[in-house]
Amino acid sequence: ETGVTQSPTHLIKTRGQQVTLRCSSQSGHNTVSWYQQALGQGPQFIFQYYREEENGRGNFPPRFSGLQFPNYSSELNVNALELDDSALYLCASSLVRGVVDNEQFFGPGTRLTVL
Amino acid sequence: GESVGLHLPTLSVQEGDNSIINCAYSNSASDYFIWYKQESGKGPQFIIDIRSNMDKRQGQRVTVLLNKTVKHLSLQIAATQPGDSAVYFCAENSSGATNKLIFGTGTLLAVQP
Repeated sequence: ETGVTQSPTHLIKTRGQQVTLRCSSQSGHNTVSWYQQALGQGPQFIFQYYREEENGRGNFPPRFSGLQFPNYSSELNVNALELDDSALYLCASSLVRGVVDNEQFFGPGTRLTVL
Repeated sequence: GESVGLHLPTLSVQEGDNSIINCAYSNSASDYFIWYKQESGKGPQFIIDIRSNMDKRQGQRVTVLLNKTVKHLSLQIAATQPGDSAVYFCAENSSGATNKLIFGTGTLLAVQP
């Protein structure tokens, strides 16, 4: 186990609804990244937070937003859910921002199903 | 655009055999690569990494080879065990302030007892 926890484990929503996913980073890690993993595919980078500020974003629309709190835990919010948002959402924490060989530790993910 | 890996193939091996999983990457400027193992219902788990100034790196039962000329990465697993059954992803870590990971689609390794 990596020490990164995510909640909830599973979630079912309907189109147009909003969802909030949560992540607690490994102790001492100040950087949190979020990834979306569609079934049968590799994870895709959504965005990263470092010390409560967004620190880079992938090719995702603005309805994907996030927060990081002073204790470095993080939330991923998705508004106006679409069917294609159904995926496993992964959170990864790391210790140091910007170091290329900085290992990222993944949580177990939240499985989101949009009906 | 950037991409790493292939469409999800499946590799079936007998227990005790050696496994070789391959990956192609497209960003020649990348300088760090990682192999992850993902079991059903779990997040990716770090296996081994390699920097672009190396050709080979060995761990316990695993070896990663990097060929920058053809932008190819491979993972070798010695004496494959049933517990090695999982999806394996190669990932590329871009430099800069945001060290995001770029994943391929993975390879499913099925170990037959």
